Amino acid sequence: AQTVTQSQPEMSVQEAETVTLSCTYDTSESDYYLFWYKQPPSRQMILVIRQEAYKQQNATENRFSVNFQKAAKSFSLKISDSQLGDAAMYFCAYRSVGFDSNYQLIWGAGTKLIIKP
Amino acid sequence: DVKVTQSSRYLVKRTGEKVFLECVQDMDHENMFWYRQDPGLGLRLIYFSYDVKMKEKGDIPEGYSVSREKKERFSLILESASTNQTSMYLCASSPNRGPRQPQHFGDGTRLSIL
Repeated sequence: AQTVTQSQPEMSVQEAETVTLSCTYDTSESDYYLFWYKQPPSRQMILVIRQEAYKQQNATENRFSVNFQKAAKSFSLKISDSQLGDAAMYFCAYRSVGFDSNYQLIWGAGTKLIIKP
Repeated sequence: DVKVTQSSRYLVKRTGEKVFLECVQDMDHENMFWYRQDPGLGLRLIYFSYDVKMKEKGDIPEGYSVSREKKERFSLILESASTNQTSMYLCASSPNRGPRQPQHFGDGTRLSIL
């Protein structure tokens, strides 16, 4: 069974600086998807970025980028130029592409990101 | 934009009550999910549904049941609420167009069982 591990329960960063959130996963599959979701305080969970395992190029979305290391089974999220609005819980998630998976997500425990003004 | 609406943001119920949590999505998504979110445990899947009247158990179905009579609505039922079911409940939906599609979430229901 697949597992997702976020080893940092909490991280803090100074506003305007860069922070990296870690995520590792365990799988025997070669094709899958990885996601980072953001959950601001008392607000809706939203997708930040996704990565397809068969693509070697790291995904980027504006100030958010990933460092996808398939062999190491690592999927870290880098946030550049941190802003106060980036303060949130960040969840890493894995999705199998197998037909019997029903496209369920396997979730990490989350990392709370604090932005210091 | 996809809209997933959960009927209550906050709910307080008593032990032994039957509790209904409602979720409605407006994007004609086939898949709907109920999660429970607890600190340090991430999101744990309770039940999901990939079609009307279809349901599948997730990782922690005990003490819960679900109903999907219409495509847009997915209800979570606590048959006899217990204090260990105090938690944040999240509903999500996704289209059945492949694993690349993200799940879209509601605002969550913070449920307290006294």
